[in-house]
Amino acid sequence: DIQLTQSPSFLSASVGDRVTITCRASQGVRSYLAWYQQKPGQAPKLLVYATSTLQSGVPSRFSGSGSGTEFTLTISSLQPEDFATYYCQQLNTYPLTFGGGTKVEIK
Amino acid sequence: EVQLVESGGGLVQPGGSLRLSCGASGFTFSSYWMSWVRQAPGKGLEWVANIKKDGSETYYVDSVKGRFTVSRDNAKNSLYLQMNSLRADDTAIYFCARATLYLDWWGQGTLAIVSS
Repeated sequence: DIQLTQSPSFLSASVGDRVTITCRASQGVRSYLAWYQQKPGQAPKLLVYATSTLQSGVPSRFSGSGSGTEFTLTISSLQPEDFATYYCQQLNTYPLTFGGGTKVEIK
Repeated sequence: EVQLVESGGGLVQPGGSLRLSCGASGFTFSSYWMSWVRQAPGKGLEWVANIKKDGSETYYVDSVKGRFTVSRDNAKNSLYLQMNSLRADDTAIYFCARATLYLDWWGQGTLAIVSS
């Protein structure tokens, strides 16, 4: 199974900060990497797919990059509504797997 | 608008069964793969199963193989998850999601609790 390791697992940041979350895969996943945002009590929401393609309606302050085994999600200027937990997911190989999550909290 | 609505969760004893349903609307259900994803209380996301558009292919995480069965009824725009031999560690919110290679629409989930 492909393991996805997210770092950090928790980060404290201020509104306006630039935030970067990393997702490392135990094997190559080509470009089949997605990022989701989940707020408490809500379903996850797709932010980025195919490593770097922004889902329709997602603000441009979000961006994804990477290849092979190392990927990043960047929020260029953190907004109050961005405080949430973020998950990466690989869809290259079954079983599909998620990273452990990164909780972004207000400093 | 795309809508996915899960139902069928509840409290069940270890070893028991539950059948979860997911009703879909706002898109051509038969044109999409579908997924089940679960989230144990306070934990992260775990992919559970995928099913092809016509139901001819299914895939599962190892921990549910032989116990869970994913199926669909395209005439009823519905997705199902039959869960047998339930264990305490199956306790989770179960989400259905539309799978366009990625999981682009999710339902709000239904909670299954396995406890005596």
